[in-house]
Amino acid sequence: DTAVSQTPKYLVTQMGNDKSIKCEQNLGHDTMYWYKQDSKKFLKIMFSYNNKELIINETVPNRFSPKSPDKAHLNLHINSLELGDSAVYFCASSQGVSGGPGETQYFGPGTRLLVL
Amino acid sequence: AQTVTQSQPEMSVQEAETVTLSCTYDTSESNYYLFWYKQPPSRQMILVIRQEAYKQQNATENRFSVNFQKAAKSFSLKISDSQLGDTAMYFCAFMKRGGSNYKLTFGKGTLLTVNP
Repeated sequence: DTAVSQTPKYLVTQMGNDKSIKCEQNLGHDTMYWYKQDSKKFLKIMFSYNNKELIINETVPNRFSPKSPDKAHLNLHINSLELGDSAVYFCASSQGVSGGPGETQYFGPGTRLLVL
Repeated sequence: AQTVTQSQPEMSVQEAETVTLSCTYDTSESNYYLFWYKQPPSRQMILVIRQEAYKQQNATENRFSVNFQKAAKSFSLKISDSQLGDTAMYFCAFMKRGGSNYKLTFGKGTLLTVNP
């Protein structure tokens, strides 16, 4: 019954590798997000998609590429991983409807990425 | 651009007592939402409470309530009858209302420890 799920929960990889993190929501929401939480616990938006369309792209290196095959899925692909990419990546979703509780974002459990 | 400041990196409280976490924000917007999210050691981001800026009444959710002072741009969280399960990192967050840019801007968090 998980509302927003992410796979994998943990990812350990070598510098230079390419990896993907998958996100799925079963809430029927139209908008999905990726946030990055750094080692100091600071959370920052990376991307937002509304109905498979990119809405927000916040100064993220182009090694990061989000892909939304349908509105229930938003995957994050990272090329040429660097040490500084080590972080926890959170997926979130919301109804994306202006006004009311529809703008509340619900988060997945996070994916801890460690680049060695 | 919006900024959110949480001036207390760490706080502690005895079980059953009341604690207040501070949050201030800076924005030129008049229509927005404010949120408190909780992140326990499990890493999950959990919505605690939300406040619409156009509502004067302070939001409450069981033992959690806010003191929203729009003119002062202050949004504190009060936790009554603290429980051990309230031990977590608490994040204050801002979101502009309307349009399609639903990104959350987070503060740096306050680590709350509830002691038995």
